[in-house]
Amino acid sequence: RKEVEQDPGPFNVPEGATVAFNCTYSNSASQSFFWYRQDCRKEPKLLMSVYSSGNEDGRFTAQLNRASQYISLLIRDSKLSDSATYLCVVNRLGAGNMLTFGGGTRLMVKP
Amino acid sequence: GAGVSQSPSNKVTEKGKDVELRCDPISGHTALYWYRQSLGQGLEFLIYFQGNSAPDKSGLPSDRFSAERTGGSVSTLTIQRTQQEDSAVYLCASSLRTGTGGEKLFFGSGTQLSVL
Repeated sequence: RKEVEQDPGPFNVPEGATVAFNCTYSNSASQSFFWYRQDCRKEPKLLMSVYSSGNEDGRFTAQLNRASQYISLLIRDSKLSDSATYLCVVNRLGAGNMLTFGGGTRLMVKP
Repeated sequence: GAGVSQSPSNKVTEKGKDVELRCDPISGHTALYWYRQSLGQGLEFLIYFQGNSAPDKSGLPSDRFSAERTGGSVSTLTIQRTQQEDSAVYLCASSLRTGTGGEKLFFGSGTQLSVL
């Protein structure tokens, strides 16, 4: 089993739609969680951290479910510019708390 | 510069040649990662440096790959006897470790390696 798993998609949605991605992680003791965004042929960039109580940043909401070991990202009112690959990132305890990336979920927002 | 710098941005080499890829992390960042990404694929972890600790080399795909980090700053990824399957974008990232686990990663723009 991979440490961090994501549905690769693609998720094809119309502008204005609400879309949600889930990511599961295998290490129950993981403590830090993030969503990164990667545009085509560009480097990944931090979108948002994921806090235990859930957090929101504009149209984006991130949630953590420790019992089921998954995190989610909800995007409301999708824009064309949201089209990208969304990467789930979890820290690996031990060995210096290294961050581990999921394979990414591709989102395509269409007019 | 303020960001992570990688060089060269593009490298074309012949099969069997050795290549060196360079990463200059953000000043003061103690953690440094190397990843590679093939077209349309996810990030593949290669190696992780954290301060003066022994690096985590668990992601290196073969003994043709090696990396070092001198003086806790600049890192060089070396691929010996390159093969066509080594063709990918090699990404470097750094972060400022505070001991709490999982800080924001800053990525360089990558080196596109093409092995002919």
